[in-house]
Amino acid sequence: AQTVTQSQPEMSVQEAETVTLSCTYDTSESDYYLFWYKQPPSRQMILVIRQEAYKQQNATENRFSVNFQKAAKSFSLKISDSQLGDAAMYFCAYRSPPAYNTDKLIFGTGTRLQVFP
Amino acid sequence: DTGVSQDPRHKITKRGQNVTFRCDPISEHNRLYWYRQTLGQGPEFLTYFQNEAQLEKSRLLSDRFSAERPKGSFSTLEIQRTEQGDSAMYLCAGQALTPQETQYFGPGTRLLVL
Repeated sequence: AQTVTQSQPEMSVQEAETVTLSCTYDTSESDYYLFWYKQPPSRQMILVIRQEAYKQQNATENRFSVNFQKAAKSFSLKISDSQLGDAAMYFCAYRSPPAYNTDKLIFGTGTRLQVFP
Repeated sequence: DTGVSQDPRHKITKRGQNVTFRCDPISEHNRLYWYRQTLGQGPEFLTYFQNEAQLEKSRLLSDRFSAERPKGSFSTLEIQRTEQGDSAMYLCAGQALTPQETQYFGPGTRLLVL
């Protein structure tokens, strides 16, 4: 069974600085999808960034980028130029390939990010 | 705003009572997912529908839980004979049929069983 591990329960960063959140996963599948979701306090969970395992190029979305290391089964999120609005719980999630006919997401336990002015 | 709504947002009930939650995705969401999130944990998959068909259920979904999506639009999740261990946030997510599409989450229903 696939598992997702986030070893940093809490992280903090100063506004305008850069922070990296770690995520590792375990799978025997070769094709899959990885996601980072953001859950602000009392607000909806939203997608931050998505990576397809068959793509070697790391995904980037504005200030958010990932470092995808397939062999090491590592998928870290880098937030550049941190803003106060980035403060939230961040969840790493895994999804099996479409051929498996299940699109359920498997989540890690999350990392709480605090941003200080 | 993801376009997915859930009702109620909060529910307090006594042990042994039945509760029902509703999820309304947008019309493009052929697939609908239910997850449960307990304090300090990531969401855990419960079940999902493609249109009105329930295609997968987690072992977490005991006999006291039942979900429906009768017309392939909104969905309901019912918990019978609630237990204190059922206290959690229940999240709903919608997804368009294309496999690469994102799951869009609702705000969740927070259940407290006393």
